[in-house]
Amino acid sequence: GAVVSQHPSWVICKSGTSVKIECRSLDFQATTMFWYRQFPKQSLMLMATSNEGSKATYEQGVEKDKFLINHASLTLSTLTVTSAHPEDSSFYICSARSLNTGELFFGEGSRLTVL
Amino acid sequence: GENVEQHPSTLSVQEGDSAVIKCTYSDSASNYFPWYKQELGKRPQLIIDIRSNVGEKKDQRIAVTLNKTAKHFSLHITETQPEDSAVYFCAASIGSQWLTFGKGITLSVRP
Repeated sequence: GAVVSQHPSWVICKSGTSVKIECRSLDFQATTMFWYRQFPKQSLMLMATSNEGSKATYEQGVEKDKFLINHASLTLSTLTVTSAHPEDSSFYICSARSLNTGELFFGEGSRLTVL
Repeated sequence: GENVEQHPSTLSVQEGDSAVIKCTYSDSASNYFPWYKQELGKRPQLIIDIRSNVGEKKDQRIAVTLNKTAKHFSLHITETQPEDSAVYFCAASIGSQWLTFGKGITLSVRP
């Protein structure tokens, strides 16, 4: 089946640094990728919708200058958490929608811990 | 926007019994309703989904029912097993738009 690879799977960084998370569709093309954030014991909350070749659409309350999203190709979207703070510590999950079938596939998730 | 409610937050059943998890949605334009199972620290796994042109769908021990008039849909798991213990999320979307998730329910199956 289709695979969405997310890297890194976990990362620890110091406050004030930036962290980049990659989301790749390995065997299909995705015009649209979605970035979610999940705090412990909570649901997945949509952060932004990423479309290939255009600017991401951010959900209300999500700072676009803090969470930079780039979707430069049909198989890769990146989320950069800039000037990270401890409250940004969370599980970040991407999902990609297949261009051909419309099916949605989730990445493995990236656990970010900001010290 | 869409609002998906999921109650209760926890459910405990005896192995072999059935489990029913219900969700309601607010946007009548929603037409796709998937259910995900998530184990701790892992990605959500799609277990079953239903579209608005269908009232019920079954896959072995798992079934989903949809009531468009009442705007609610339910997950039914029969003959529960300990490995069914996990967090289950319902979700709704309009066409190819993003998924809006419910808050999740922790299902515990007692051996």
